[in-house]
Amino acid sequence: GQNIDQPTEMTATEGAIVQINCTYQTSGFNGLFWYQQHAGEAPTFLSYNVLDGLEEKGRFSSFLSRSKGYSYLLLKELQMKDSASYLCAVRERSSNYQLIWGAGTKLIIKP
Amino acid sequence: EAQVTQNPRYLITVTGKKLTVTCSQNMNHEYMSWYRQDPGLGLRQIYYSMNVEVTDKGDVPEGYKVSRKEKRNFPLILESPSPNQTSLYFCASSRGLANEQYFGPGTRLTVT
Repeated sequence: GQNIDQPTEMTATEGAIVQINCTYQTSGFNGLFWYQQHAGEAPTFLSYNVLDGLEEKGRFSSFLSRSKGYSYLLLKELQMKDSASYLCAVRERSSNYQLIWGAGTKLIIKP
Repeated sequence: EAQVTQNPRYLITVTGKKLTVTCSQNMNHEYMSWYRQDPGLGLRQIYYSMNVEVTDKGDVPEGYKVSRKEKRNFPLILESPSPNQTSLYFCASSRGLANEQYFGPGTRLTVT
């Protein structure tokens, strides 16, 4: 079956580091995406992982472990503008390679 | 500017009155998709299209129709809207399945 779990909400302090986890149970994993969505706006692409390991892109990094069905998004040097929802999406063969989306993690940044 | 556009952005309508939400992309993308987003739920796919004249059902296709007569356009049609179709709708496009999706600004639909 398809199941993607993310924490509903997290709070962090400006300048700090936060890790947002995503666990999944899918049939035929074929890649994992992270998107950012500010309130009232469209999702925008952050990262893509298909192989195990860490992908770094500026202040944001994404990690994948396929054997554990686990990914995390790491945000460093948090800024107020990072307050948003972060969506994890998994592509799987059993769904015709369509994305299955988690409900998203709302990240609140406090000064 | 590369973009996905949707119209209208906001729509309030009544049960049973047919409506169309347009979606257009200027990036020559082959893949397009429609999603709905409801509080507490992830994005749920309604329909998708791998190319012109090729469309397929997503997870929640009931009550919706689509067409893909041209590469750039992928309209979403609600033949007889019902209140449970009140939602935020997003159109998205990408070069292919392994590529990032670009989303339109969203259409907030209310059916009374």
